[in-house]
Amino acid sequence: QQQVKQSPQSLIVQKGGISIINCAYENTAFDYFPWYQQFPGKGPALLIAIRPDVSEKKEGRFTISFNKSAKQFSLHIMDSQPGDSATYFCAAKSGARNQFYFGTGTSLTVIP
Amino acid sequence: DGGITQSPKYLFRKEGQNVTLSCEQNLNHDAMYWYRQDPGQGLRLIYYSQIVNDFQKGDIAEGYSVSREKKESFPLTVTSAQKNPTAFYLCASSGDRRSYYEQYFGPGTRLTVT
Repeated sequence: QQQVKQSPQSLIVQKGGISIINCAYENTAFDYFPWYQQFPGKGPALLIAIRPDVSEKKEGRFTISFNKSAKQFSLHIMDSQPGDSATYFCAAKSGARNQFYFGTGTSLTVIP
Repeated sequence: DGGITQSPKYLFRKEGQNVTLSCEQNLNHDAMYWYRQDPGQGLRLIYYSQIVNDFQKGDIAEGYSVSREKKESFPLTVTSAQKNPTAFYLCASSGDRRSYYEQYFGPGTRLTVT
């Protein structure tokens, strides 16, 4: 059973546009929600993360929006650039155990 | 230069042979993890370790084994019992509450078994 559901599977955005990736979870014991960026052949890199006591976190062009009541969180990439083309994973950490659950990934392509 | 190192980057083995993937971290993290990633797939947890000399099975532990004798090291052995071992293997570590449990990944090892 997928603990964290991610959509869409793939996304194509024009340069300068906004990329939005969504994730949903069921386990209310999750207490930390990171996003990772992965380029082909590389390990995932931590991009931005949020805790459930915060509704939004912004770092540069990247923003996480968190809706605790809906058990959903999303990544917004503003002014998307071709260099942002990568696979993005959302994740959630179990509060009881230091274990992470990952979404299935979104392949983002930013067209120049 | 802090981080996680995995070696080798590429590994080729014949079917029926055991192979050990190395993972070392100098981030002083207590927890370490091994994930498997197949093309177009997410990350699936193989094993994780919260502290030295202790580890737990993840979702796909069958055919794999680990050890955690030192805080810095968490090697993964892919045994001949693993039916489909060809994949990209990722090691990760995470900090404690002070660092908000941030998890960092190594560069990965691509294992090909023929």
